[in-house]
Amino acid sequence: DADVTQTPRNRITKTGKRIMLECSQTKGHDRMYWYRQDPGLGLRLIYYSFDVKDINKGEISDGYSVSRQAQAKFSLSLESAIPNQTALYFCATSVTHNYGYTFGSGTRLTVV
Amino acid sequence: GQQLNQSPQSMFIQEGEDVSMNCTSSSIFNTWLWYKQDPGEGPVLLIALYKAGELTSNGRLTAQFGITRKDSFLNISASIPSDVGIYFCAGPSMNNNAGNMLTFGGGTRLMVKP
Repeated sequence: DADVTQTPRNRITKTGKRIMLECSQTKGHDRMYWYRQDPGLGLRLIYYSFDVKDINKGEISDGYSVSRQAQAKFSLSLESAIPNQTALYFCATSVTHNYGYTFGSGTRLTVV
Repeated sequence: GQQLNQSPQSMFIQEGEDVSMNCTSSSIFNTWLWYKQDPGEGPVLLIALYKAGELTSNGRLTAQFGITRKDSFLNISASIPSDVGIYFCAGPSMNNNAGNMLTFGGGTRLMVKP
């Protein structure tokens, strides 16, 4: 099994729908992140969590929310999906003071 | 916010050629990282650099931490088809929370012709 598992791998949804992307990890890492990838823009941070009780907004948090249900689980929600949220979404984990992130394989989301 | 500018945005090379790419910033970084994203996968850490002027190798890959601390370079020697992918530079965000969040560049897409 992968160290960081994202579900679903692909999703097509309609404008206005609520959708949740899930991430679980077996690394035992305390820190978890959600990034969005768009062509030419690299990876942009949406939300991050240093532990179960700590949630922080990243660079582009508008339109998104997150929940850290357990140390191993960090989910990303789009409350009302819009087409410009079509992108590739990555979950990542790390330990404190270490920049060696472990990424999941990504969720490709299309909003029509 | 901080921006990392990578160039070139894409390159299409012949197998066996050497590759050079770079990453620049308007801000000073204390750490530079290079990640590679294979098609259909998440990025994987290749090399981490912690000191200005540092030169570090990982197989055919060599990365350098620029002495101005505002740039970094990645070279790939004797490219092979499995080098295909997107290469990202990254550095720690200047954030008062002092966490280890990374800012990523826009990526260099490498294509290798057999």
